Amino acid sequence: NAGVTQTPKFRVLKTGQSMTLLCAQDMNHEYMYWYRQDPGMGLRLIHYSVGEGTTAKGEVPDGYNVSRLKKQNFLLGLESAAPSQTSVYFCASSYGAGGRSGELFFGEGSRLTVL
Amino acid sequence: EDQVTQSPEALRLQEGESSSLNCSYTVSGLRGLFWYRQDPGKGPEFLFTLYSAGEEKEKERLKATLTKKESFLHITAPKPEDSATYLCASPVGFKTIFGAGTRLFVKA
Repeated sequence: NAGVTQTPKFRVLKTGQSMTLLCAQDMNHEYMYWYRQDPGMGLRLIHYSVGEGTTAKGEVPDGYNVSRLKKQNFLLGLESAAPSQTSVYFCASSYGAGGRSGELFFGEGSRLTVL
Repeated sequence: EDQVTQSPEALRLQEGESSSLNCSYTVSGLRGLFWYRQDPGKGPEFLFTLYSAGEEKEKERLKATLTKKESFLHITAPKPEDSATYLCASPVGFKTIFGAGTRLFVKA
């Protein structure tokens, strides 16, 4: 069982370049999330989705866009990368939001460096 | 403002030296307090969910407890393999907010 798979795992970009991170889950989860993790700051929510075709802003959405065209996939895009977007990005999914269905399942992370 | 705060930031223990990690929360309408473990270079993995004050859950050397304002993760006789970052989190609306984590180092 693959769970949550993120690609790519590592990427180096130059300032101004664009890229897309792909997250795929095989658990038929409704909810999907993109977090970024920086030293001393914990996990901060970028965008999330409560179902196919829906997206919403999280805590730190600026400079990112997302799409959820298929239930199993959640894409995170950077249109014009900036050094401040150097981080480790985690995708997560869950059956629901909170309570007994609120457990998050995480991918292995994607380490992005913007020069 | 809904918030989850963890302390200490880092904790260094000798093997067998028991201790506790703290997670204080201010979340309206608590729908669970979650603990996760994160190993270096990996994504967080679920450990426990607590729902009401007084609840306790155990897994091997770990025991999580919950009061109306705090949760504690007690580690009894830790081993080097318990070294990791421990995160607490709580759902707020459709989202889950996380504390910054406690990095635990257990020396043999």
